[in-house]
Amino acid sequence: KAGVTQTPRYLIKTRGQQVTLSCSPISGHRSVSWYQQTPGQGLQFLFEYFSETQRNKGNFPGRFSGRQFSNSRSEMNVSTLELGDSALYLCASSGTAGSYEQYFGPGTRLTVT
Amino acid sequence: DQQVKQNSPSLSVQEGRISILNCDYTNSMFDYFLWYKKYPAEGPTFLISISSIKDKNEDGRFTVFLNKSAKHLSLHIVPSQPGDSAVYFCAASGRNAGNMLTFGGGTRLMVKP
Repeated sequence: KAGVTQTPRYLIKTRGQQVTLSCSPISGHRSVSWYQQTPGQGLQFLFEYFSETQRNKGNFPGRFSGRQFSNSRSEMNVSTLELGDSALYLCASSGTAGSYEQYFGPGTRLTVT
Repeated sequence: DQQVKQNSPSLSVQEGRISILNCDYTNSMFDYFLWYKKYPAEGPTFLISISSIKDKNEDGRFTVFLNKSAKHLSLHIVPSQPGDSAVYFCAASGRNAGNMLTFGGGTRLMVKP
């Protein structure tokens, strides 16, 4: 089975711009979660989608949003980028709503200048 | 406040010896715990997990111990191999948290040949 894929792998944006990141989960997985990893804050949960519905949301401002499509692929969007949004954005998928084991993609490295 | 803490940022161990990585948590609602390994430029890889109804779970060279009264878990790697050198994260989830994982800050393990 192919693993979780994320595109693009690297991205450079300017302050004030917006960005969209994409995640394709493992085939058959219906839950997709997004995490942000920074040196200062570590790995932090952004949000989770299951069957196209947002089930949980972390403590991030409304500039961070996401969605999930009927094929379970997910996108996250960050609007009005700030320097502090520079991070590794990780997507994880899991097979069922109650399955805690999540499988991570390689991440998208976002740099905001 | 950090609900999951890994107090040792780094650990160095000789090849063949035991590696013990520790993790403490504060939230009594957590009932499932996981360990992930992360290499640079890759997403975290799931290693092993444990439910709060157990106090030990073993998978090959990896064993996780859970002490609920102390709100403490540990990962034992025996024997340690140079390929185990990576950053290890413990993570926790609660019954009503869906697939939201709360991560510790990570411990960098270096296994010396």
